[in-house]
Amino acid sequence: DADVTQTPRNRITKTGKRIMLECSQTKGHDRMYWYRQDPGLGLRLIYYSFDVKDINKGEISDGYSVSRQAQAKFSLSLESAIPNQTALYFCATSDLGTGASRSDTQYFGPGTRLTVL
Amino acid sequence: QKEVEQNSGPLSVPEGAIASLNCTYSDRGSQSFFWYRQYSGKSPELIMFIYSNGDKEDGRFTAQLNKASQYVSLLIRDSQPSDSATYLCAVNPGGYQKVTFGIGTKLQVIP
Repeated sequence: DADVTQTPRNRITKTGKRIMLECSQTKGHDRMYWYRQDPGLGLRLIYYSFDVKDINKGEISDGYSVSRQAQAKFSLSLESAIPNQTALYFCATSDLGTGASRSDTQYFGPGTRLTVL
Repeated sequence: QKEVEQNSGPLSVPEGAIASLNCTYSDRGSQSFFWYRQYSGKSPELIMFIYSNGDKEDGRFTAQLNKASQYVSLLIRDSQPSDSATYLCAVNPGGYQKVTFGIGTKLQVIP
């Protein structure tokens, strides 16, 4: 089974609808992230969480909200979807680790392709 | 100023050649550096990370780090068409700061 899972994998919705994207992980990592990716723009960070009680805005948080329900679960919500939120969304996890492994390597889920009409 | 700079490409190399991908970063105190490969429509997957100056080899891949020049590179030897993908450089500033990704370099290996 995959260590980082995202649901749904594909979603088509209409402008104004509320959408929730879910991320679960079995890696036991404290840190979780939500990114969006658009052609030519690379990965852009939406929100990140370094532990269950910690939520931080990324570079493009407007129009999005998140919930860290548990160490293993991090959800992204679009309260009122708009067409320019059409993108590929990735969840990622990381663990700072210790010693030589103190790398904070990120591991990505398979992605959710969201289309807002 | 972007924190992690990469040429977006595309970088075209013939099959069997060495592909050289470059990345510069602005935070001199950065502690660890990553290379990810991403196929179109798929999620990024880690190739390797490096945290000490010098070279680190893993199969056909070699990461090179020069902290004095704030420069990290990835060499792919004996490039194959299956290596055609976008390669993302990422930098960890350390401590409680988040990792930052570059825009990625698209590599095309021509048969």
